[in-house]
Amino acid sequence: GAVVSQHPSWVICKSGTSVKIECRSLDFQATTMFWYRQFPKQSLMLMATSNEGSKATYEQGVEKDKFLINHASLTLSTLTVTSAHPEDSSFYICSARVLTQETQYFGPGTRLLVL
Amino acid sequence: KNEVEQSPQNLTAQEGEFITINCSYSVGISALHWLQQHPGGGIVSLFMLSSGKKKHGRLIATINIQEKHSSLHITASHPRDSAVYICAVQSNAGGTSYGKLTFGQGTILTVHP
Repeated sequence: GAVVSQHPSWVICKSGTSVKIECRSLDFQATTMFWYRQFPKQSLMLMATSNEGSKATYEQGVEKDKFLINHASLTLSTLTVTSAHPEDSSFYICSARVLTQETQYFGPGTRLLVL
Repeated sequence: KNEVEQSPQNLTAQEGEFITINCSYSVGISALHWLQQHPGGGIVSLFMLSSGKKKHGRLIATINIQEKHSSLHITASHPRDSAVYICAVQSNAGGTSYGKLTFGQGTILTVHP
């Protein structure tokens, strides 16, 4: 089946630093990737939709200058949390979708802790 | 009111019991997903439905488009089924909203041996 990987699986950083999270589709080409955030005991919330070769579409309330998304190839999307703050500590999950399919394949998630 | 409502929020069962988790939604959808999230956080897609019923092993998912309701059933439940089950609806809007998922709050299932 289709596999999506994320790297790193967890990261601890100091406040003010930037953190990059990678999302890769390992055995298929993903025309669209989605980035989600999940706070403890809450459901997933869509942050942005990323289409290969174009600018990401951000959900209301998500700062595009803080959460930089790059989808430079059909197998890789990156989310960079710039100038991270403790309130950015969360579980970040990506999913990938093939143009001709409705199914989304989820990555294992990245747990971010900002001290 | 949330666009996607799940019930119950918490469910405890004994091994072997038949389990039902319900999902109601209030928006137009192109598909509905049932997802499983284990304590480590990883998410597995169980089903994607746009009509009728699907079965995979001990799991059955049904959807009634007219009533905007879906159910996930687990037959002969097992402790390894303990997880959070999440219902997510996929927008039928076009443009930048295409494929966008809206999630329910999840149902925490605990199956005791």
